[in-house]
Amino acid sequence: DGGITQSPKYLFRKEGQNVTLSCEQNLNHDAMYWYRQDPGQGLRLIYYSQIVNDFQKGDIAEGYSVSREKKESFPLTVTSAQKNPTAFYLCASSNLISYEQYFGPGTRLTVT
Amino acid sequence: AQSVTQPDIHITVSEGASLELRCNYSYGATPYLFWYVQSPGQGLQLLLKYFSGDTLVQGIKGFEAEFKRSQSSFNLRKPSVHWSDAAEYFCAVGRGNQFYFGTGTSLTVIP
Repeated sequence: DGGITQSPKYLFRKEGQNVTLSCEQNLNHDAMYWYRQDPGQGLRLIYYSQIVNDFQKGDIAEGYSVSREKKESFPLTVTSAQKNPTAFYLCASSNLISYEQYFGPGTRLTVT
Repeated sequence: AQSVTQPDIHITVSEGASLELRCNYSYGATPYLFWYVQSPGQGLQLLLKYFSGDTLVQGIKGFEAEFKRSQSSFNLRKPSVHWSDAAEYFCAVGRGNQFYFGTGTSLTVIP
């Protein structure tokens, strides 16, 4: 089955620790995205990538970092510089023709 | 500036009643338009999309949406709501790598 996987589903970290969220897709999509979702705020774009080894900041990139070493993978690192990291994180991918985005199941990160 | 507005934060309907969720957008060019649905704690699922052509588009689960260029709107409709339709609904607009989501409308279905 083609799709997007995110792991883990729930993640707990202590304040001050970096944490990496995994996102893998087997849809052969060129573009991948990371969004943050907070209650009542919809989705906010963190980073996106349209090609391997290249990525662009979204609206709220501060405190986050990404890499795109393989077409299938787009991991997101939440660094200790992110002031309020507790949120639901969604990964998505799309082709470069229609740009309709397909989403993974999400990772809920809790930092205490 | 580009933006998407979903004016209804929360809507409650009775099972079997009709549904309309509103979406208005501001975008420089003619955008691609999407509706997504999200169940609690899950990712987003694409319900339908509009790229061009017929302004009334059909989607999955019996949903449809109508693009009205003059009103910059893309409202989602369903003739008869089922209890399983209770979820969060997001409108999105975009073109290329410029993609914008609304803040969502939460739907409650009363038996």
